[in-house]
Parts: sequence; structure tokens; C-alpha cells
Amino acid sequence: EAQVTQNPRYLITVTGKKLTVTCSQNMNHEYMSWYRQDPGLGLRQIYYSMNVEVTDKGDVPEGYKVSRKEKRNFPLILESPSPNQTSLYFCASSPSRDEQYFGPGTRLTVT
Amino acid sequence: GQSLEQPSEVTAVEGAIVQINCTYQTSGFYGLSWYQQHDGGAPTFLSYNALDGLEETGRFSSFLSRSDSYGYLLLQELQMKDSASYFCAVSPDRDDKIIFGKGTRLHILP
Repeated sequence: EAQVTQNPRYLITVTGKKLTVTCSQNMNHEYMSWYRQDPGLGLRQIYYSMNVEVTDKGDVPEGYKVSRKEKRNFPLILESPSPNQTSLYFCASSPSRDEQYFGPGTRLTVT
Repeated sequence: GQSLEQPSEVTAVEGAIVQINCTYQTSGFYGLSWYQQHDGGAPTFLSYNALDGLEETGRFSSFLSRSDSYGYLLLQELQMKDSASYFCAVSPDRDDKIIFGKGTRLHILP
């Protein structure tokens, strides 16, 4: 089954404790992206990647890191999480940037 | 700055037709996409317009006017399951960033 998977689905952590949210897709898509979704703000792009070893900043990259060492994986790294990073996070992949397939989401709470 | 504007909420009656508008102000334009998101779920792709005109996919249609920086999503024969949030999205320039609108919550009355 073609899909985008994210792990974990739910995470509660404390300020400053490094964490990684994994994202994997099995559709051989070149374009992958991370978004955060907050009430009233819609989806905001954090980082995106056009291909392996190619990443670039979206609109809200501060406090986040990504890597794209393999085509299928695009992990999101929070080196020192803060409470303002409490949010719902979505990973997406796409054969072209305009038709994206989203993962199920990761709900992150930073206390 | 770059922005997309869409109504925050729209209410319609089951079986009717509803139109959700999206206007954009961006440095460039490569195409307009629409996504649906049910409560607790992930966004799902509905349609994409790169050229002016109407694209039809079943009960859903999407329209684009590049000269007016405007598009809309048209939902026909509304069903209760269409109650969801709808987002428009634009890729404004060649560096492949994507900008989403804040979303329109569609309420459907029986």
C-alpha cells in the first residue's frame, strides 16, 4: 500500500530534550516536506526537500533541522524543543510539489 | 509578504452547491492546489490548477484565474461527509516552497 508513515504519532516531552520524528514514504517520490499545523494558522511549511541531499527552508524553519540521506526518509529533528513547538506535525511526499500525500500526523507536546 | 486568503467558515445545506474562494498575493505563481481535511485526519489532495479554467473531478471542481490571482473550489450535491476543512495552496516561485491558506471550515446542515 502506497503511504507516508510517521513515528511517533503522539509525543510528550520536556523543554530541551532532543527528539526526532521519522517520516518514510514508499512511493519513490522525490519531493518531501514537513508542516506544522496550529489552530487558526493553517499549515505552515517548515522544511522541504527536492531530492536526496537537497533540503531548503520553508516559512517557519527556526528550531528545526532535517536531513535527506535516502530518498524514502525525511526525519525532522528538534535539537532543543521549546513549548512554542507544541503542535501537530505532518510529513508529506509528492511526485511533484503540487499533489502532496500526507502522513497521519504527529501530535507533539513540549512542557 | 506572500499570502492566501480564504473564508474561515462556510455553511451550506445537504444536496446544495457551495463555492470556496481563494485569492493569493505571491511573488510568483506555478499553480493552485486544494486539500480536504476532516477533523482528526490528515489533509488529502483534491485538485490542482496550473492554467486558467475549470477542472472537474466528480462532484468537485476547481477554477483558476491567473489574471485575477483567484481560484475557487466548487462542491456539488453536498453530502454530510463533505463537512471538513478545505485548504488552498500555492507554490509561488521556482524554489519550490509551498504556502497554504488558513483553511475554510465547511459546515453542512441536513
